[in-house]
Amino acid sequence: EPEVTQTPSHQVTQMGQEVILRCVPISNHLYFYWYRQILGQKVEFLVSFYNNEISEKSEIFDDQFSVERPDGSNFTLKIRSTKLEDSAMYFCASILTRGINQPQHFGDGTRLSIL
Amino acid sequence: DAKTTQPNSMESNEEEPVHLPCNHSTISGTDYIHWYRQLPSQGPEYVIHGLTSNVNNRMASLAIAEDRKSSTLILHRATLRDAAVYYCILLNYGGSQGNLIFGKGTKLSVKP
Repeated sequence: EPEVTQTPSHQVTQMGQEVILRCVPISNHLYFYWYRQILGQKVEFLVSFYNNEISEKSEIFDDQFSVERPDGSNFTLKIRSTKLEDSAMYFCASILTRGINQPQHFGDGTRLSIL
Repeated sequence: DAKTTQPNSMESNEEEPVHLPCNHSTISGTDYIHWYRQLPSQGPEYVIHGLTSNVNNRMASLAIAEDRKSSTLILHRATLRDAAVYYCILLNYGGSQGNLIFGKGTKLSVKP
């Protein structure tokens, strides 16, 4: 069964540095999402992306965050200047269409640790 | 999105059925009831969804109350691999881009 893959599985970065988290969604999927989960807390929606532009974003997704689909396969989340509170698991998800019978497929996440 | 309420935790014995409840008293007529689960150290995983009628798939069954104010996810024979956090989420495709709003979910423990 096709999978969403995320790299790296664990990223350690100094505070203030830029970080790029990478995701390869399922190949024929059209909608892409990023979520994050701070340790011990709920999974939180960050942003959705369709047709090469942001569809919706949460309050968390401020100017420090950006997303890009640089080619036909990768979907990236960039954090420009990381803060300690950005430490979390980041999950990428994709969906074929927004139809009611299309579940979101999640990757296993990237653990981001900010030092 | 309408709010859901789930118990914080539940326990089950292996190979016994598990009924995971969810209350959603403010559900609207166009809200779909979705269930996802998150196994330890993994991303969320889709389980099942429905609108009004009960639904079955290879993973679970979903029983929806007649007034749609509550639903129950049924695992027919729990295995150790079913130990996870289960999330009940309402999704209205007309009002959002399909992004999921997760609550705290129910942490299911399965005893051998």
